[in-house]
Amino acid sequence: ETGVTQSPTHLIKTRGQQVTLRCSSQSGHNTVSWYQQALGQGPQFIFQYYREEENGRGNFPPRFSGLQFPNYSSELNVNALELDDSALYLCASSWTDGTGDPYEQYFGPGTRLTVT
Amino acid sequence: QKEVEQDPGPLSVPEGAIVSLNCTYSNSAFQYFMWYRQYSRKGPELLMYTYSSGNKEDGRFTAQVDKSSKYISLFIRDSQPSDSATYLCAMGNFGNEKLTFGTGTRLTIIP
Repeated sequence: ETGVTQSPTHLIKTRGQQVTLRCSSQSGHNTVSWYQQALGQGPQFIFQYYREEENGRGNFPPRFSGLQFPNYSSELNVNALELDDSALYLCASSWTDGTGDPYEQYFGPGTRLTVT
Repeated sequence: QKEVEQDPGPLSVPEGAIVSLNCTYSNSAFQYFMWYRQYSRKGPELLMYTYSSGNKEDGRFTAQVDKSSKYISLFIRDSQPSDSATYLCAMGNFGNEKLTFGTGTRLTIIP
């Protein structure tokens, strides 16, 4: 069984730039959730994708967007980067039936984004 | 007020001691309760998952949920230096796909 993988591991961007982060879900899982974890804080829910559609969104602006592909992998895109976007971005995969229940979510190692 | 409150620590205990980690919450709609362990610069690792009041045991770990008091705990018996990590509680409710996390408690087990 393959776990959740994310790429890249680290990334440094300049304010105003755009970034794309990638996630491959665990084998057998059909749902991907993205979280932002600032230093010293718990993860904050960004959004979830199920069957290639957004299935719930947290309190993040529209410049945070995502995609899910037929193989259940996913991308997180952030436009117009701000200094406060510096954080660890975590992808979590799970199997759900689409009802929105927060089934057990398994996290990847994260991508550490630094915005200068 | 945050929906989930967790003492950030740091908490240091000697090897072999029983560790008690706690979270309180204000949202009575929460029905799923999870504990994650996060090593430095790694992603969270799911330790325990429960959706009912009472105790759930898995090896050296016991998760306890008291919905009437809106209080959850994680107990670690016979603590080991390898248990040194940040422990995050997380909660969710039916029909809502997001997990709400505490800030995490940083735990150090001293050999």
